[in-house]
Amino acid sequence: SQQGEEDPQALSIQEGENATMNCSYKTSINNLQWYRQNSGRGLVHLILIRSNEREKHSGRLRVTLDTSKKSSSLLITASRAADTASYFCATDAPMDTGRRALTFGSGTRLQVQP
Amino acid sequence: GAGVSQSPSNKVTEKGKDVELRCDPISGHTALYWYRQSLGQGLEFLIYFQGNSAPDKSGLPSDRFSAERTGGSVSTLTIQRTQQEDSAVYLCASSQSGNYGYTFGSGTRLTVV
Repeated sequence: SQQGEEDPQALSIQEGENATMNCSYKTSINNLQWYRQNSGRGLVHLILIRSNEREKHSGRLRVTLDTSKKSSSLLITASRAADTASYFCATDAPMDTGRRALTFGSGTRLQVQP
Repeated sequence: GAGVSQSPSNKVTEKGKDVELRCDPISGHTALYWYRQSLGQGLEFLIYFQGNSAPDKSGLPSDRFSAERTGGSVSTLTIQRTQQEDSAVYLCASSQSGNYGYTFGSGTRLTVV
């Protein structure tokens, strides 16, 4: 089963608006990462937030992490048409839980209308 | 190289044939991962290599799937007796360790006809 689940599955906004995507997960984590994917090919790493961090910024991106609720959000401010892509969250379980590779959610498809 | 390189970029094969997919990770990255992604879906973990440790094969869907990593660098994913349900994009990624972001290749789109 998926460790991370994004919400919504699809989001359509106008250029200039903010886009917020949410991710929920089930088990304890070491860190949580967000990736972007264009045209169904390789993913690009956007940002990593560790379990002891609550918020992180990178350019127009803002990520929050609430470990008590096992959830994270990705906010893209002042969106552009070029932000159109699928966005995935991924969790990295602590070293004592077995799985050492990231577990990815099913993604949010963001469409930014020019 | 500067990025993760995968080959071929596209592969069409007949049902029942074997295929080999290649991944050349970023030099110096000790961790290498294989995932597959069906159309419009998330990423499904297949296998993970870390340095000289035994690989984590827990995601391989059947014994028709195998992978190796030679010399701690290039990796090959082999699918024997391909089935139509094997059709997907196979993605390879590498990282410095488990606490860093992954760098993905562009993937191999496998179509089994």
